Amino acid sequence: GAVVSQHPSRVICKSGTSVKIECRSLDFQATTMFWYRQFPKKSLMLMATSNEGSKATYEQGVEKDKFLINHASLTLSTLTVTSAHPEDSSFYICSARVGGTVSGANVLTFGAGSRLTVL
Amino acid sequence: QKEVEQNSGPLSVPEGAIASLNCTYSDRGSQSFFWYRQYSGKSPELIMSIYSNGDKEDGRFTAQLNKASQYVSLLIRDSQPSDSATYLCAVKPGGSYIPTFGRGTSLIVHP
Repeated sequence: GAVVSQHPSRVICKSGTSVKIECRSLDFQATTMFWYRQFPKKSLMLMATSNEGSKATYEQGVEKDKFLINHASLTLSTLTVTSAHPEDSSFYICSARVGGTVSGANVLTFGAGSRLTVL
Repeated sequence: QKEVEQNSGPLSVPEGAIASLNCTYSDRGSQSFFWYRQYSGKSPELIMSIYSNGDKEDGRFTAQLNKASQYVSLLIRDSQPSDSATYLCAVKPGGSYIPTFGRGTSLIVHP
């Protein structure tokens, strides 16, 4: 089946530094990937939709200059948390849409997630 | 705003019982419905998808969809302690490929 690889799985960084998270579709091409954020015991919050070869679409309230998304190829999207602060500590999860069209039945496959801790 | 509602729980059931998880949604034009399971500290994994009214069975899992009532449920038969997790309902609105997730229901299966 479709596999989405995400790394690093855990990262600890100092406040003010930047952290890059990679998300790769291993056996399929993903023109669209999604980045989610999840706080403990809370639901998934969609941050942005990453489109190959174009700018990402950010959800309301998500700072695009702080959460930089690059989708340079059909198999790789990256999320960079710039100038990270302790409040950015969270579980970041990417996903890719597998198959289908807008009107069709498509399924999201999730990466394993990246737990970011900012000291 | 398109909403997906779930009772956060926890829902506690004894081992071997049937666990019933419910989800309601606001967008009547929704086309696709999904149940994901998320273990603590892990990312969600797809359990079931359902697209038409009625029941869909896969092993111990049965998804039920009633579009008229805007309601989708997941039944887990012969619940096992390993089924203890948070179950996320996701609904794909009509005209969009981005699903909306509910907040999830925590299920605890005790021996």
